[in-house]
Amino acid sequence: SQTIHQWPATLVQPVGSPLSLECTVEGTSNPNLYWYRQAAGRGLQLLFYSVGIGQISSEVPQNLSASRPQDRQFILSSKKLLLSDSGFYLCAWRLAGGGTDTQYFGPGTRLTVL
Amino acid sequence: DAKTTQPTSMDCAEGRAANLPCNHSTISGNEYVYWYRQIHSQGPQYIIHGLKNNETNEMASLIITEDRKSSTLILPHATLRDTAVYYCIVRAYQTGANNLFFGTGTRLTVIP
Repeated sequence: SQTIHQWPATLVQPVGSPLSLECTVEGTSNPNLYWYRQAAGRGLQLLFYSVGIGQISSEVPQNLSASRPQDRQFILSSKKLLLSDSGFYLCAWRLAGGGTDTQYFGPGTRLTVL
Repeated sequence: DAKTTQPTSMDCAEGRAANLPCNHSTISGNEYVYWYRQIHSQGPQYIIHGLKNNETNEMASLIITEDRKSSTLILPHATLRDTAVYYCIVRAYQTGANNLFFGTGTRLTVIP
């Protein structure tokens, strides 16, 4: 069966510090991968998606970036965090070419920027 | 994507069936109905999806009306662990970008 991991689970970082969040998927090959952010009490905002290694599409211009160095690894980064980067970051995967939009989410990383 | 309308909140007694409605009167022929839920401080969890026919899995049943303008998610025997926000999403399959719009959903509270 497929599983998706995210770490760390929680993170408190000062403004201006760098960020690296990691997501890995097991049990599937060539998945579509997604990074979302959820602000407190709000819906999900798609940040990045990837259909393959090294292929990243950005949905929202901001000081975040994403990379996919391996088929089942997706990394979210920032060189300098802003207060507005606080939120709940979720990684998700979808079966490529599966014909449906079913997405499977990781447990999330709660980021607080102080 | 078709717009969906859900009640803001619902209560259900533990052990009883929870019936969560969703209206999607502008749904197109190639759009599926998806249900997800999000338990507090966790990532969203896929529950079930369907196109025309009613569907059932180990978690829930999905009843779609014949005209497809509304649907109902049924949790047959609600437990306290089913307390969550439930999201109804209607969309057609798309390659690549897949921005699932979760909206506000229905906050289900299961009462002991």
